This record gives sequence, structure tokens and C-alpha cells, in this order.
Amino acid sequence: NAGVTQTPKFQVLKTGQSMTLQCAQDMNHEYMSWYRQDPGMGLRLIHYSVGAGITDQGEVPNGYNVSRSTTEDFPLRLLSAAPSQTSVYFCASSLRTGSNQPQHFGDGTRLSIL
Amino acid sequence: AQTVTQSQPEMSVQEAETVTLSCTYDTSESNYYLFWYKQPPSRQMILVIRQEAYKQQNATENRFSVNFQKAAKSFSLKISDSQLGDTAMYFCASHTSGTYKYIFGTGTRLKVLA
Repeated sequence: NAGVTQTPKFQVLKTGQSMTLQCAQDMNHEYMSWYRQDPGMGLRLIHYSVGAGITDQGEVPNGYNVSRSTTEDFPLRLLSAAPSQTSVYFCASSLRTGSNQPQHFGDGTRLSIL
Repeated sequence: AQTVTQSQPEMSVQEAETVTLSCTYDTSESNYYLFWYKQPPSRQMILVIRQEAYKQQNATENRFSVNFQKAAKSFSLKISDSQLGDTAMYFCASHTSGTYKYIFGTGTRLKVLA
């Protein structure tokens, strides 16, 4: 009964480094998404996917890439980390879009960019 | 554009009292869904309650209920008999089938006082 699994839980990077935040779900959910949470700004949508092979940009996509080669996995890539990307990142999934299906969230990744 | 506004950054309530958290939204879609999520200090995101826009009846879940005013685009959360465990950040969110996006408000930090 894993649900949505995010790794790592904590990470410290230096400016300019790249890394991938992993997200996997075992519920056969169609929809997956990435958010960043910053104080006073709520959760802002970075990228989302409505199915394998389909991704699209959210509210704050700059500096991030995603891919969805399988239904289960939706990694988020930081190409060249910047201090402005210091945040808590959440991955979420839901059974399908266009319905009352809520999103199930991972436990989050706290990322610090020095 | 799809927006969600929570105008109360912080609130407090005495244990056993009732508190109402405000949320307004804007969307041009006719088919949409509204959610309240709770984020305790553990950082987990937990679904509290959901409402389908096409339903006139307000949703209720035990001590939690909503006041859904469709014409005013308002979706407030009422917590009755507040408990210390209700202390958390509360996020309002909307989802439209047309945009595939879940959009969150900036959150209200609720503190229940003993």
C-alpha cells in the first residue's frame, strides 16, 4: 500500500548542479503532477501529465523538465539548480482528470540550493 | 484563468468552538470540482472534503462541512467542535476538466487553542 513515493526526502545542491526528483505511484493513476510549496505562496503547479507520453506545463515550469515514459513514474529534473528553486516539492497523482477524484500526495522533498 | 484565493493567512479558534475558513475561486469552466486539503506539521497533504460544482447540496464529512455559493464563487470550510488535532495549514483547490489543472490557494494556517 505504498501510494505515492517520492525520493529523496531531503537534498542539498550547489548552484549549477543538476538532479532528478523521483516520483512513483502504484495505484494505476492516470494523472500525475509536481508542485512546489513556498511560504505564503501555497502550492504552485510546475508540470503535469494526463497519461504516459503526455506532459504539459503548469504555472511555474521554468528551470524544470519532466517526462512520463510509464504510467507509474513521473520524474522532475532540475537542469541547472538556482537558489530560487529552494523549496519543498510535492508529487501528486489522481485516478483521472475531469472528475471529483482527489490528488494523493507524496511526503515531499525539501530541496536547498546553496 | 483559473484562480483560487484564500484571504485569511492565519486564524485561531478555541477548542470545541466552530471556525470558518474562506475561499473564493474563479473559472470560466462550467464543470469543475473543489477541494479542501489539510497539511499538519508532518507536511502530509490530507483530503478533508470535496464538492462537485453541479451539486447544489453542500458536502459534509463528520465535523467538516462546506458552504458552496456557486454564484458568488465561494467555497468556505466550516470546522465544528474544533480539536487540537485540527491545527494545520488548510488549502483550498479547484480542478477543471477543461484545463486538467488542480490549482491551490495560498493557504490558511489554523491554530486550535486549548
